[in-house]
Amino acid sequence: GDSVTQTEGQVALSEEDFLTIHCNYSASGYPALFWYVQYPGEGPQFLFRASRDKEKGSSRGFEATYDKGTTSFHLRKASVQESDSAVYYCACHDTNAYKVIFGKGTHLHVLP
Amino acid sequence: GGIITQTPKFLIGQEGQKLTLKCQQNFNHDTMYWYRQDSGKGLRLIYYSITENDLQKGDLSEGYDASREKKSSFSLTVTSAQKNEMAVFLCASSIDRAGQNTLYFGAGTRLSVL
Repeated sequence: GDSVTQTEGQVALSEEDFLTIHCNYSASGYPALFWYVQYPGEGPQFLFRASRDKEKGSSRGFEATYDKGTTSFHLRKASVQESDSAVYYCACHDTNAYKVIFGKGTHLHVLP
Repeated sequence: GGIITQTPKFLIGQEGQKLTLKCQQNFNHDTMYWYRQDSGKGLRLIYYSITENDLQKGDLSEGYDASREKKSSFSLTVTSAQKNEMAVFLCASSIDRAGQNTLYFGAGTRLSVL
């Protein structure tokens, strides 16, 4: 079946560091790809999405580019802040139109 | 804007007990989901429903039942709680629009089984 792999379980950075969280998907065709963010005590919130090869999604300084060739949708931010500390989930819109498959999540810790 | 309300926020049960979690949404969305969140395992789909009275099994449906009697509500039943089980159950809804499927989540129900 379809799957999403996030290689980093935890990432620790200092403020103003550059962030990369890796996401690779396994699915046929052109599934929609998403990033969600979850703060403590809350449910995940939609960050942004992309649905075509080479399309860039972005929000709040975060961005990711849909790459069909490498089946990737890596999350990047040029300069992280302490308030970005949260769990980030990559997700893939399954070929069954209603299922959304999530990765295991990456816990980002940003130190002041 | 809309909101998804999950009740209860915290649920403590006994081994073998049947436990029911409730979810209400006022987005008027057609599709609703139940996910289970465990540390280090991400979100795993238990059940989803594309319309009132529809139920579809996800990858983790064994040990659970679901019910969608109204468009706005979706309940999940743990049929027999497992000892020492701890997890967060997240309810979500989405616009039934091809290629969209942005999910809106509730804050979760935290389950502990003694």
